[in-house]
Amino acid sequence: NAGVTQTPKFQVLKTGQSMTLQCAQDMNHNSMYWYRQDPGMGLRLIYYSASEGTTDKGEVPNGYNVSRLNKREFSLRLESAAPSQTSVYFCASSEVLAAAQYFGPGTRLTVT
Amino acid sequence: ELKVEQNPLFLSMQEGKNYTIYCNYSTTSDRLYWYRQDPGKSLESLFVLLSNGAVKQEGRLMASLDTKARLSTLHITAAVHDLSATYFCAVDTEYGNKLVFGAGTILRVKS
Repeated sequence: NAGVTQTPKFQVLKTGQSMTLQCAQDMNHNSMYWYRQDPGMGLRLIYYSASEGTTDKGEVPNGYNVSRLNKREFSLRLESAAPSQTSVYFCASSEVLAAAQYFGPGTRLTVT
Repeated sequence: ELKVEQNPLFLSMQEGKNYTIYCNYSTTSDRLYWYRQDPGKSLESLFVLLSNGAVKQEGRLMASLDTKARLSTLHITAAVHDLSATYFCAVDTEYGNKLVFGAGTILRVKS
C-alpha cells in the first residue's frame, strides 16, 4: 500500500497563477482532509470531505476550492495564488470520523 | 473558537531523563490526538484519546486525557535520541474530525 500520495512535491508559482494539488489514498478511507502548515503555527484545516460527494470548509478556506473526485481522490485548487499561500500543504485521510488521520508526504508551495 | 496550547514549545532533554509535554484546550472536547513529525517529513499518528481518563502507552511515550481539566499530557520516560522530533496535539472541535492543532513542541534529546 502506498498510503496517501500527493503531487507535486514542490511547486513555485507566480502571483495570480492557478494550480491544483492532487491527493490520493489507497486505504479505502471515507474521510479526506487538506491542511496547510506554516512555521510556528501547527497545521490548519483548509477543507475536508467526510465522505464521497461531500465537502466542507475548515478553519482557513479562503482562496481555495476542493473536489472529491471519487472515494480515492481529493484535490485542492488555488485559483489565483497569492504570496500568503506560500506554505507546506498536507493531505490526510481517515477511515471514519474520530479515527486517526494518515498524512501524505506534503507539497511545498512557494508563491512569488 | 477553540484554542489549543502546547507547552513547552521547545524542549532540550538529556538522554535518560523524564519529561512531560502539556496540551491545554479551551472548549469541551473528548477527542484528542497526538502526532509526531520528523524534520522535513510528514506527520505520524501516535495516540488517539477518545474519553475522559484515557491513557495510552507506546514504548517510552505515554499519553493521557483529562477532559474536565481540558488537558492532555505526553510523558516521555528515559528519553533516547530517536525521540527527537516535533510533537503536536490536536483536538476535535465537533464530531467531524475537524482538528485544531497546537503549535507543536520541538523535542531535542542530547546524549
